[in-house]
Amino acid sequence: EVQLVESGGGLVKPGGSLRLSCEASGFIFSDYSMNWVRQAPGKGLEWVSSITSSSTFIYFADSVKGRFTISRDNAKNSLYLQMNSLRVEDTAVYYCARGQFGGVPGPFDSWGQGTLVTVSS
Amino acid sequence: QSVLTQPPSASGTPGQRVTMSCSGSSSNIGSNYVYWYQQLPGTAPKLLIYRNNQRPSGVPDRFSGSKSGTSASLAISGLRSEDEADYYCAAWDDSLSGYVFGTGTKVTVL
Repeated sequence: EVQLVESGGGLVKPGGSLRLSCEASGFIFSDYSMNWVRQAPGKGLEWVSSITSSSTFIYFADSVKGRFTISRDNAKNSLYLQMNSLRVEDTAVYYCARGQFGGVPGPFDSWGQGTLVTVSS
Repeated sequence: QSVLTQPPSASGTPGQRVTMSCSGSSSNIGSNYVYWYQQLPGTAPKLLIYRNNQRPSGVPDRFSGSKSGTSASLAISGLRSEDEADYYCAAWDDSLSGYVFGTGTKVTVL
C-alpha cells in the first residue's frame, strides 16, 4: 500500500523558513516523480512544485519561485520542501503527492494527509 | 491563482446525474490530459479520473470524464450521498511549465 507521510509544518513568522518532509513507503520511490500541492484554509488546491524521479527536472509555481526549493533523497525514500521568505499568503495545508512513473506531467495518484503551515506574526 | 474555471456548485437528488465543466485554454486542456480529483470533507484529495476519461482501480463507473477542445467535464451518474464533496479538474500547462487546478465545484446531494 502506498503511504505518504508529511511532517515539518508549524507556526512561523513572516520572513521565516520551514522545511517540510514527506516519507514514502509501499512503492519504489526512485521510480516516480513527486509533487507538493497546497490548500489555503477554505480555498482550492494550488500546485506548488514537482521533481522528476532522478531530480533532473524541477518545476515551481510562480507564486513560490525563488523562495521555495524542492529536493528528494531516493536512498531515504523522502521528499522535501524548503520554504524561505515565508509570507502570510503561504499559510496552507501542504500535501505531498506521488506523480507519474518517471517524469512529468502526469496524475497525482496518491496523496499524504497534509501538514499545516501557518505564517503569522 | 486558478487558470481552469469550474462552476462553484452543483447539486442533485440521489440517483440523478450531475455534470460539471472545466474550462481552460490551448496551453493546458487544449494540449494535455485532464485529471479530476475528489476531496471529501476534511480529507486529502483523491484521483478520480486521469488521461481525460480513465478511472483508477476502485473508482466506480458512475464517474466519467470527457474532453473536447479546451474544455472538459465530469459526470456523476446515480448520485449517492457519499458523492458530496469538492471536485477539482487539473492539467499541465505548457506556457507555465506547471500544473494548474480548477477553481473547484462543490457537489451537494439534496
